[in-house]
Amino acid sequence: DAKTTQPNSMESNEEEPVHLPCNHSTISGTDYIHWYRQLPSQGPEYVIHGLTSNVNNRMASLAIAEDRKSSTLILHRATLRDAAVYYCILREAGYALNFGKGTSLLVTP
Amino acid sequence: NAGVTQTPKFQVLKTGQSMTLQCAQDMNHEYMSWYRQDPGMGLRLIHYSVGAGITDQGEVPNGYNVSRSTTEDFPLRLLSAAPSQTSVYFCASSPSGGENNEQFFGPGTRLTVL
Repeated sequence: DAKTTQPNSMESNEEEPVHLPCNHSTISGTDYIHWYRQLPSQGPEYVIHGLTSNVNNRMASLAIAEDRKSSTLILHRATLRDAAVYYCILREAGYALNFGKGTSLLVTP
Repeated sequence: NAGVTQTPKFQVLKTGQSMTLQCAQDMNHEYMSWYRQDPGMGLRLIHYSVGAGITDQGEVPNGYNVSRSTTEDFPLRLLSAAPSQTSVYFCASSPSGGENNEQFFGPGTRLTVL
């Protein structure tokens, strides 16, 4: 089971970019890197995923290191609504999402 | 599309009671799964299904049963509730179990077992 390591918590000011790091040194060649977030009292919500190349969508960007042993989720302009727990997950060629404890992001006005 | 729906939103049970948590999706997704989330923790997989008639165990299956008779529905049954099953339960679905699919989560059922 490939694992990820994330900081327990991070803090950001509103309207500033946020870089959420994730280490996954034992990633295999077929593992996709997924990011989900969970707002307070809600179910997890998909954010973005990628395999080797950097990815952008309307919510965020995902920067993947060349050796794929780490990745960074980038929120370009944090808002108060982005305060959540962010989970970095390696999706293996099976079915389950392995959630860890994630990074709790605090956004201050 | 309603997405993934779960009922009830809240439930209180006494030890030893049984109940069924309902989960339904209207996206014609093949893959469905149940997770539980204890306070301050990440989600843990209970059971999953890759299609109608097929189910398998996840990380923490003890005390729970599932069945998948239709593509849309994936109920979770607690056979004899215990206080250790107090948790928030989330159902999720995705087009397939492949690693390139995103999962869609329901709003959760908050269960308390006294």
